[in-house]
Amino acid sequence: RKEVEQDPGPFNVPEGATVAFNCTYSNSASQSFFWYRQDCRKEPKLLMSVYSSGNEDGRFTAQLNRASQYISLLIRDSKLSDSATYLCVVNEYSGGGADGLTFGKGTHLIIQP
Amino acid sequence: DAGVIQSPRHEVTEMGQEVTLRCKPISGHNSLFWYRQTMMRGLELLIYFNNNVPIDDSGMPEDRFSAKMPNASFSTLKIQPSEPRDSAVYFCASSLRTGAYNEQFFGPGTRLTVL
Repeated sequence: RKEVEQDPGPFNVPEGATVAFNCTYSNSASQSFFWYRQDCRKEPKLLMSVYSSGNEDGRFTAQLNRASQYISLLIRDSKLSDSATYLCVVNEYSGGGADGLTFGKGTHLIIQP
Repeated sequence: DAGVIQSPRHEVTEMGQEVTLRCKPISGHNSLFWYRQTMMRGLELLIYFNNNVPIDDSGMPEDRFSAKMPNASFSTLKIQPSEPRDSAVYFCASSLRTGAYNEQFFGPGTRLTVL
């Protein structure tokens, strides 16, 4: 059974702080990994892909640890607009398009002024 | 460019009624996905199509659910008969499958309430 586990939170973080949360996955054959963002009562949207070497996009850094089967998301200098639910997504297949996506239930982040 | 279009945005119906959800994927995309999201179970993949062909419907909860994609620009998800436990937000997503993973673009969702 494919499982993607996340701490549901909420994480209450003051504006400007750094916040990090992890996601664990059960299927060691998983090939690709992503973070999606979902605002309240909105649809999920791709935030960033997660590469083996780790990758950064502005204030956001994603890391992958295959040995321990977890991925992480770090947000620096958090903004009020970062408040959302962050969904960890794992793709079991390699190069297979978007087949086999499994979503975590999400981590709820609240940035406080 | 228009994104994924879903209709209706909200649906309230009574138990036992038939419900039909509609989706228009992004033009040119060749993969289409139906998801269901609830607080308890999160986002679950129900079924997906590649080039209008259903590939994996293992996520469809039971025979009351059916999905069709008669052409590249339209898909339906039907629930007959509906039950209160079907209440959820149903998302349609599309992507352009070219080999490597391609971003899925989600529609705004249909919020279904079955009384």
